[in-house]
Amino acid sequence: KAGVTQTPRYLIKTRGQQVTLSCSPISGHRSVSWYQQTPGQGLQFLFEYFSETQRNKGNFPGRFSGRQFSNSRSEMNVSTLELGDSALYLCASAGGPPGLAVNEQFFGPGTRLTVL
Amino acid sequence: AQKVTQAQTEISVVEKEDVTLDCVYETRDTTYYLFWYKQPPSGELVFLIRRNSFDEQNEISGRYSWNFQKSTSSFNFTITASQVVDSAVYFCALSEAVQGAQKLVFGQGTRLTINP
Repeated sequence: KAGVTQTPRYLIKTRGQQVTLSCSPISGHRSVSWYQQTPGQGLQFLFEYFSETQRNKGNFPGRFSGRQFSNSRSEMNVSTLELGDSALYLCASAGGPPGLAVNEQFFGPGTRLTVL
Repeated sequence: AQKVTQAQTEISVVEKEDVTLDCVYETRDTTYYLFWYKQPPSGELVFLIRRNSFDEQNEISGRYSWNFQKSTSSFNFTITASQVVDSAVYFCALSEAVQGAQKLVFGQGTRLTINP
């Protein structure tokens, strides 16, 4: 099976712009989560989508949003970019039945966003 | 609130030495999941192990072993006979066991360097 893919891999934007990142999960996986990784804050959960619905949300401002399509692909959008948004954005997908079990997440290579 | 602490920021050992990475967690939940991930220089997080809170058996996978002790809220990871390829940042993570919860709380990570 192909792994999680993320596009683009690198992105440079300026303050005030907006950006959209894309994630394609492993085939058959319906859960897609997004994480932000910075040297100062480490790995932080942004949000998770399952069957096109946002199921969990982290503590990020409303400038960070996402969506999931019927084929489970997901996009993440950041509006009005700030310097502090420079980070590695990781997408992860998880499979398995939606029960009590928390399944392992498989991560993509990430999109490195630099805000100038 | 959930919290994961990896007190060792950096560890450096010589190849073939055994090394243990510590992980201490905090949660009020009685049911939860613990994970270890490896992040090589390429940036992609690689899943290593998942353990639920009801399963305190230690696990061994090749040169890797994990010691889970609920009494001390620890989930330590040992690499036996380390190799240069083990050099990476290792993350311990915690997830609540709520239906559909795919939200990982990560520790700050331990940078492991194996010197030849």
